[in-house]
Amino acid sequence: ETGVTQTPRHLVMGMTNKKSLKCEQHLGHNAMYWYKQSAKKPLELMFVYNFKEQTENNSVPSRFSPECPNSSHLFLHLHTLQPEDSALYLCASSQGTGGAYEQYFGPGTRLTVT
Amino acid sequence: GQNIDQPTEMTATEGAIVQINCTYQTSGFNGLFWYQQHAGEAPTFLSYNVLDGLEEKGRFSSFLSRSKGYSYLLLKELQMKDSASYLCASMDSNYQLIWGAGTKLIIKP
Repeated sequence: ETGVTQTPRHLVMGMTNKKSLKCEQHLGHNAMYWYKQSAKKPLELMFVYNFKEQTENNSVPSRFSPECPNSSHLFLHLHTLQPEDSALYLCASSQGTGGAYEQYFGPGTRLTVT
Repeated sequence: GQNIDQPTEMTATEGAIVQINCTYQTSGFNGLFWYQQHAGEAPTFLSYNVLDGLEEKGRFSSFLSRSKGYSYLLLKELQMKDSASYLCASMDSNYQLIWGAGTKLIIKP
């Protein structure tokens, strides 16, 4: 409904697994974001891409690896995660960065690390 | 440091009015956003304020005082569907959003 889709919606993975989260936006935006949302905590910005170039990496552990092949698609590759990485991972897009642009969010992927 | 404070939870009655407060401290300021997030769903944009004063949009209004580092979201004629979390976010000098932890609003009949 927001023009941003995410798959899968739910993911359970072991600490030794490798998985990927996918995000696609149909809004013609140039900027895309990954956020982590944990219960009762503020949204944590993880990565920002503008015109496919990474512009922000907020000290995210290397077990999270983003990929942005074009302005419409964003991936988050996961490997050797920890139980504390269990959270809701939200993707968002906006017209650009460097301005007061509204962000449009996807429904998120609920990740559980066992 | 950068900080956003908002109440964790509020309860209100259907048909009533509720005000959700937010105070912010950020490095620079490029506006204040409010988002609504229903359980299990995406956050959706409600309002943006960059100048002092009240912005009205239907049943929802948002107020900003830059000198006080303060904003509130006012919801009138509450409906059951307004039960959700309300997220306050301040945009800093780098145009990065600094988020509060959200206020869970419970509406009772």
